[in-house]
Amino acid sequence: ILNVEQSPQSLHVQEGDSTNFTCSFPSSNFYALHWYRWETAKSPEALFVMTLNGDEKKKGRISATLNTKEGYSYLYIKGSQPEDSATYLCAFRENNNDMRFGAGTRLTVKP
Amino acid sequence: EAGVAQSPRYKIIEKRQSVAFWCNPISGHATLYWYQQILGQGPKLLIQFQNNGVVDDSQLPKDRFSAERLKGVDSTLKIQPAKLEDSAVYLCASSLRDEQYFGPGTRLTVT
Repeated sequence: ILNVEQSPQSLHVQEGDSTNFTCSFPSSNFYALHWYRWETAKSPEALFVMTLNGDEKKKGRISATLNTKEGYSYLYIKGSQPEDSATYLCAFRENNNDMRFGAGTRLTVKP
Repeated sequence: EAGVAQSPRYKIIEKRQSVAFWCNPISGHATLYWYQQILGQGPKLLIQFQNNGVVDDSQLPKDRFSAERLKGVDSTLKIQPAKLEDSAVYLCASSLRDEQYFGPGTRLTVT
């Protein structure tokens, strides 16, 4: 993988469902992996910065895991709420260089 | 702490016109970034400043785009003349260390 890829592109779930999405990135020269939440008409908000293989981070109902050897990170949302509706972006940093963003996963949570 | 401020929030112009965007970073943040996010794609770095010096402008289309950061604080990004393909959200971010903090963006529509 040369670029940062996120899947799925979009996701529609019902309130209360749990969901997860994937960020794939180059597995060489890893420095850090960032997750952001971007609500419409607002600023992208930092969720996690992950730096070590095997890292697991948690913030309320949202958690993330990191596998740097195979080049992927998962973001999980437990018990989705309408306010979780947003685009979730991941960004890969190689050797402390610029962040390379994926195209994002657009999540819609229906009440 | 006040966040990153950007203005205007929305702008509609005709092709071949000029446009300028303004960014005020978080106080004390030495590094400032401008990103372009085209619909369906991830944000792409246009230019990075460290104080008032340019660190990376390799992806800035210099025939039409220019940016400056006078006195190492506020920054402006200009497009002259605009093309249809410049329609995008322009995000400004600032950082002190590893984490970048984003403004709400300026949505530009070129008709």
